[in-house]
Amino acid sequence: DAGITQSPRHKVTETGTPVTLRCHQTENHRYMYWYRQDPGHGLRLIHYSYGVKDTDKGEVSDGYSVSRSKTEDFLLTLESATSSQTSVYFCAIRGTSEGETQYFGPGTRLLVL
Amino acid sequence: SQQGEEDPQALSIQEGENATMNCSYKTSINNLQWYRQNSGRGLVHLILIRSNEREKHSGRLRVTLDTSKKSSSLLITASRAADTASYFCATVDNYGQNFVFGPGTRLSVLP
Repeated sequence: DAGITQSPRHKVTETGTPVTLRCHQTENHRYMYWYRQDPGHGLRLIHYSYGVKDTDKGEVSDGYSVSRSKTEDFLLTLESATSSQTSVYFCAIRGTSEGETQYFGPGTRLLVL
Repeated sequence: SQQGEEDPQALSIQEGENATMNCSYKTSINNLQWYRQNSGRGLVHLILIRSNEREKHSGRLRVTLDTSKKSSSLLITASRAADTASYFCATVDNYGQNFVFGPGTRLSVLP
């Protein structure tokens, strides 16, 4: 699947605990994205990165932070998880050529109790 | 605010029939892409159509784009049970940076 993996694939946590999701790519692509997918909303962009240490907010960034210290890794952190952050989280990567498409990871299913 | 909006939300057809899904958007775009998602999996890119193109084909897929109406359609011909999935359109802005996905159309192809 385009050399992109996510870990963990499933996680159950409690409200108020910190959670970190990892996205790893082997494609050396510049752009990496974090989305959440909820019924009726499609995919909504949380944060994205356009290079090492270069990140920007998306549509639903409140309550989330990201870091990218290496090209291949993009971390998404929920500082203090809330039940509204129960969702399926997808990472995607993209090259820099015009008309590039996104390649998605398999997703992480997160349940916040 | 969402850029792409698919229509219908759900579609159920018999194997062999054609399936048509529509996508409307609000602002100018560089290109529009269609993706497919099987249950429990990530999205997979199907086809891309640029803003200066009106129609594109790929196998059993046909995509049209009408920039004056800000709409696109995805046609799957001779559908198969294996086409059962959710289909999403994504618009890409003129900088080629910002992808915005619609809520998707859930297609069920009955054998």
